[in-house]
Amino acid sequence: DGGITQSPKYLFRKEGQNVTLSCEQNLNHDAMYWYRQDPGQGLRLIYYSQIVNDFQKGDIAEGYSVSREKKESFPLTVTSAQKNPTAFYLCASRAGRNTEAFFGQGTRLTVV
Amino acid sequence: QKEVEQDPGPLSVPEGAIVSLNCTYSNSAFQYFMWYRQYSRKGPELLMYTYSSGNKEDGRFTAQVDKSSKYISLFIRDSQPSDSATYLCAMSPDRGSTLGRLYFGRGTQLTVWP
Repeated sequence: DGGITQSPKYLFRKEGQNVTLSCEQNLNHDAMYWYRQDPGQGLRLIYYSQIVNDFQKGDIAEGYSVSREKKESFPLTVTSAQKNPTAFYLCASRAGRNTEAFFGQGTRLTVV
Repeated sequence: QKEVEQDPGPLSVPEGAIVSLNCTYSNSAFQYFMWYRQYSRKGPELLMYTYSSGNKEDGRFTAQVDKSSKYISLFIRDSQPSDSATYLCAMSPDRGSTLGRLYFGRGTQLTVWP
């Protein structure tokens, strides 16, 4: 089945730790995105990548980092610099301009 | 002013009602429009997408785009309790420096009661 796989589904982070969220797609899509969703705030763009080895900051990139070494993979690292990381993280991909985006099922990150 | 405005609701309707969900936008470069449904604690799933002004129908769902007014709508006919979810509109420009980026509304929370 083609789709986007996010893992893990639930993740717990201690204060001061870095954690990495995985996003893999087998749709052969060029563009990939990371969003953060907090209650009542909709989706906020963290980073996006339109092509391998290239990515751009979104609206809330501070405290996050990404890499795009392979077309199918776009991992997100939540660093200790992110002061309020507890949220629902969503990864999406698109084939390109003027195409629809497809989402993974999300990772819920909680700071303990 | 946000690029995409969407009333967060909540919206509560009886089963069988016609539901109208709306978004407005300010950027005339937006050319591609999408509607997503998101159940609690799940990823958004694509409902409909359209590239042009006018109506597009798919079963009980109709997407409407009015580019002159910068206004899009999603209509749900014969609403069912299983339609209870948050509905997100999304749009993207087809050119310019923001090529490839999607812009989302905040989402409208819908409850359909039996």
